[in-house]
Amino acid sequence: EAQLVESGGGLVKPGGSLRLSCAASGFTFSDYSMNWVRQAPGKGLEWVSGIRKTDGSKHYAESVKGRFTISRDNAKNSLYLQMNNMRADDTAFYYCARGFWSGSGWFDPWGQGTLVTVSS
Amino acid sequence: DIQMTQSPSSLSASVGDRVTITCRANQSISTYLNWYRQTPGKAPKLLIYTASNLQSGVPSRFSGSGSGTDFTLTISSLQPEDFATYYCQQSYSAPPTFGQGTKVDIK
Repeated sequence: EAQLVESGGGLVKPGGSLRLSCAASGFTFSDYSMNWVRQAPGKGLEWVSGIRKTDGSKHYAESVKGRFTISRDNAKNSLYLQMNNMRADDTAFYYCARGFWSGSGWFDPWGQGTLVTVSS
Repeated sequence: DIQMTQSPSSLSASVGDRVTITCRANQSISTYLNWYRQTPGKAPKLLIYTASNLQSGVPSRFSGSGSGTDFTLTISSLQPEDFATYYCQQSYSAPPTFGQGTKVDIK
């Protein structure tokens, strides 16, 4: 069974940095595009970033472009999100999710999420 | 970005009820529409992909339909675990966008 487990969340001050990790198991990680999706407490879902399986190209939401960097290590079956210059509105649960974000694509499965809080 | 609008935003229903949720896109997205269920404190779970395809392991009481700009998710007989929030998501063009959610609670 495919499984994703996020880690690395926590409390960070405005302007600070944090690195999230997502460990994948139960499937061939290199065969899939991967994503980060976030959800502010009590709010809806927002796609943050994706990395393609084919060429490793990276795509970002406008709200995080220039501040966040997605990466993957296929040898370690892991996905990462480096978050810099963080703002209060980055406070959210961050989920990693398998799948392609465009065309005939969907997100499945999702990890359990990790909470990031940006506050002074 | 493509805007997705769900209706209603919330509804109250009883176990055994038939429930329909609507999702509308502000431009045609063919059938590139997915549905997720999220129970409190949990991650979203894929129910339906490309408008009408039931994800493996998802009960047959869930069904999806539509194309173009208008889509529906139907639950034929609501079960206790279905009291949750439902989201639609378009994958027609990047960035993928979600509806605001429809919360189904107990009447």
